[in-house]
Amino acid sequence: DIQLTQSPSFLSASVGDRVTITCRASQGISSYLAWYQQKPGKAPKLLIYAASTLESGVPSRFSGSGSGTKFTLTISSLQPEDFATYYCQQLNSYPPTFGPGTKVEIK
Amino acid sequence: QVQLQESGPGLVKPSETLSLTCAVSGSSISSGYYWGWIRQPPGKGLECIGTIYHSGSTYYNPSLKSRVTMSVDTSKNQFSLKLSSVTAADTAVYYCARHFDYGGTDDAFDLWGQGTTVTVSS
Repeated sequence: DIQLTQSPSFLSASVGDRVTITCRASQGISSYLAWYQQKPGKAPKLLIYAASTLESGVPSRFSGSGSGTKFTLTISSLQPEDFATYYCQQLNSYPPTFGPGTKVEIK
Repeated sequence: QVQLQESGPGLVKPSETLSLTCAVSGSSISSGYYWGWIRQPPGKGLECIGTIYHSGSTYYNPSLKSRVTMSVDTSKNQFSLKLSSVTAADTAVYYCARHFDYGGTDDAFDLWGQGTTVTVSS
């Protein structure tokens, strides 16, 4: 299986901050990468697929970049509703695997 | 709008079989998507169990393959998961989800059910 690591695992930030989360794959996955947001007690929500394509309805403050083995999710100006856990997922090879998550909390 | 809803027992005894169903509303299950199951143990990350196409083609996570069976019922617009010989390690929130694969790198799980908690305990 392809392993994904995320950094940081925990992030404390303030409303209005620019936040960047990194996801690294154990081998090249082209742009077969998605990002999800999960709030406590809720299902994950798709934010970005194909590494940089914003899912319909997702605010433009979210953006993704990268290819190969290194990817980033950026929130340009953190909003109160963005405090959540973020997961990356690779879909280059089966089984699709998820990163361990990055929890974004209020400073 | 398209909605997915999981159903099934919340408590399963060790060594027995976990059975869940995901009802799809607002769209035909034969509409060209894959349909999947993902689980999340308490306080932990996400694990893809498997996916199924409306034709019945399945893809299972090798780590669970010997215990997993997925099926689809197009007449009821739903798909199902069976996980046999469960242990406490199978205690988790189980999500069903729609998996799109438009070719190339346009590939992700875009719609999720709310999740159902399954506890394995005697």
